[in-house]
Amino acid sequence: GESVGLHLPTLSVQEGDNSIINCAYSNSASDYFIWYKQESGKGPQFIIDIRSNMDKRQGQRVTVLLNKTVKHLSLQIAATQPGDSAVYFCAENIRHAGGTSYGKLTFGQGTILTVHP
Amino acid sequence: KAGVTQTPRYLIKTRGQQVTLSCSPISGHRSVSWYQQTPGQGLQFLFEYFSETQRNKGNFPGRFSGRQFSNSRSEMNVSTLELGDSALYLCASSLGAGAKGPTNEKLFFGSGTQLSVL
Repeated sequence: GESVGLHLPTLSVQEGDNSIINCAYSNSASDYFIWYKQESGKGPQFIIDIRSNMDKRQGQRVTVLLNKTVKHLSLQIAATQPGDSAVYFCAENIRHAGGTSYGKLTFGQGTILTVHP
Repeated sequence: KAGVTQTPRYLIKTRGQQVTLSCSPISGHRSVSWYQQTPGQGLQFLFEYFSETQRNKGNFPGRFSGRQFSNSRSEMNVSTLELGDSALYLCASSLGAGAKGPTNEKLFFGSGTQLSVL
């Protein structure tokens, strides 16, 4: 049958505004979370990560917040620029014995961020 | 340091054919993972290789296979192509086991191979 495409959430902001992208994760055993940015025609690009023993981590213009109680993750981008326009994915994984997740990340559906000049 | 390199960038095949995609990981990375990205299903994990061994596998049919060479380069193969196999195939590399901490888990992706099956 015909496949139905994912309807990605969208966020539209003005240049200079702060952006907040939200993500709900599924597995309470997940202990590592990553945000990726994907521009058209490119693969996902690492933005920032956070472990489950933290609730906040800051990078350059970006902050990730983790709320394990409600299994929620957010990415805050300060002073959003047109170059930030892309699809943003959160991803989660579980580390197994030996300290590896064996390459498997579970990705969210993504959020389309559009920044208007 | 060079990133993850995938070849070819674009590929057009017909139903029933087979295809082989190539991935060169970041130097020093021993783990290579493959993902399929489609508008309908998003990003889905195919399999992961470390030291020439498949350590993890996603929920894909046996038509999807892969291998890893001693230099950590990896190939994935899809046999008997179906229309639904049209997708962006992404390769990602990481340090792999033995290095604990966030850097072990961080996957770095290539730009992908866009496969179209006609």
